[in-house]
Amino acid sequence: SQELEQSPQSLIVQEGKNLTINCTSSKTLYGLYWYKQKYGEGLIFLMMLQKGGEEKSHEKITAKLDEKKQQSSLHITASQPSHAGIYLCGADKKQNAGGTSYGKLTFGQGTILTVHP
Amino acid sequence: DAGVIQSPRHEVTEMGQEVTLRCKPISGHNSLFWYRQTMMRGLELLIYFNNNVPIDDSGMPEDRFSAKMPNASFSTLKIQPSEPRDSAVYFCASSFRILGKYTDTQYFGPGTRLTVL
Repeated sequence: SQELEQSPQSLIVQEGKNLTINCTSSKTLYGLYWYKQKYGEGLIFLMMLQKGGEEKSHEKITAKLDEKKQQSSLHITASQPSHAGIYLCGADKKQNAGGTSYGKLTFGQGTILTVHP
Repeated sequence: DAGVIQSPRHEVTEMGQEVTLRCKPISGHNSLFWYRQTMMRGLELLIYFNNNVPIDDSGMPEDRFSAKMPNASFSTLKIQPSEPRDSAVYFCASSFRILGKYTDTQYFGPGTRLTVL
């Protein structure tokens, strides 16, 4: 089965600093999703990457999927306290013969981000 | 637009009691997912439906768990009898799956925090 490893497990930064969270897969990623979760709340969709080399940005958050499609990184520029939370990567677990995904996501264990003002 | 709605938000019950969690997916979505999140195991997929039909229930832990989707706007996850180890946050997510499309984004509800004493 597909395993996703996130690093680091937790991260504490000072406001204004840049940071990167990584998500590494044991198998090729057919669809990689980044979510953010605040304590006691649901997951908020951030971005989805599909193609090798793809990069997407939203406000100060940039996500990339490497060419081999086995690793993704999430980069936050000039972090703010509002960025604090748990970041999870999720990947489509399997494809069927037709090339479409099953829609089953496997998630990494999450990275806890704390941003000190 | 309303997102995924879950009820109750919190549930405290005693071991052996029946627990029913409810979910209303985003209008127009045709896929629905039930997840469980714990500190030990992270976020795990329990079951998912496509067009109200259960597609994969391999993540359902045991026969005490059952899920139904009687129509496109409502689903339930039932635990009978409940046990302390069922204590977790249960999330419902929905997506719109286009036949033949590579991937689709899942949108999560706020979750139900279940405590079984």
